[in-house]
Amino acid sequence: AQKVTQAQTEISVVEKEDVTLDCVYETRDTTYYLFWYKQPPSGELVFLIRRNSFDEQNEISGRYSWNFQKSTSSFNFTITASQVVDSAVYFCALSEEDRGAQKLVFGQGTRLTINP
Amino acid sequence: EAGVAQSPRYKIIEKRQSVAFWCNPISGHATLYWYQQILGQGPKLLIQFQNNGVVDDSQLPKDRFSAERLKGVDSTLKIQPAKLEDSAVYLCASSLHWGASGVYNEQFFGPGTRLTVL
Repeated sequence: AQKVTQAQTEISVVEKEDVTLDCVYETRDTTYYLFWYKQPPSGELVFLIRRNSFDEQNEISGRYSWNFQKSTSSFNFTITASQVVDSAVYFCALSEEDRGAQKLVFGQGTRLTINP
Repeated sequence: EAGVAQSPRYKIIEKRQSVAFWCNPISGHATLYWYQQILGQGPKLLIQFQNNGVVDDSQLPKDRFSAERLKGVDSTLKIQPAKLEDSAVYLCASSLHWGASGVYNEQFFGPGTRLTVL
């Protein structure tokens, strides 16, 4: 069965510090997608990134970067120079394809607090 | 393009009462999902529709939960009777279509309905 583990339940850092959110996954599929979502206090899930299992290139988007390592089944997320607005719950998710539709399995989330 | 709409945004009921949630997906999206997110946990898929047919309802507690998508557009999720442990945010998501294998269909999420059962 698919599983996503986010071992860090809560992280608290001071503004401008770098912070890394860990994600480890389990799947028997050879084709799958990995995601990160942000859930601010308003509650809506905000899509951040999608990565497919055949693309192990790291990605950088502004202050955000993602490190995908198939060898360790990890998909970690780093925020550089964190800001108070980054405070939210972050979810890592794994999808499997089922007849063209994607089924998402989420981790338990990491609550990130950025203190001024 | 309008996003996924859900109503109500908040609902408070007493245990053993019934409740219904409504979802309107993005226009043209054939696949619709209902997720349950209990406080402190990640969302968990309850049921997935493709047009008006059920693709997966393996995690839906069918003794008390039901869902329908009669015309392949809007969907309703019902709980009858509610229990204390049903307190959660219920998220609806939709994706474009039943695509060919290997074609990615991104899920777009609505704002959710926060249910409190007293």
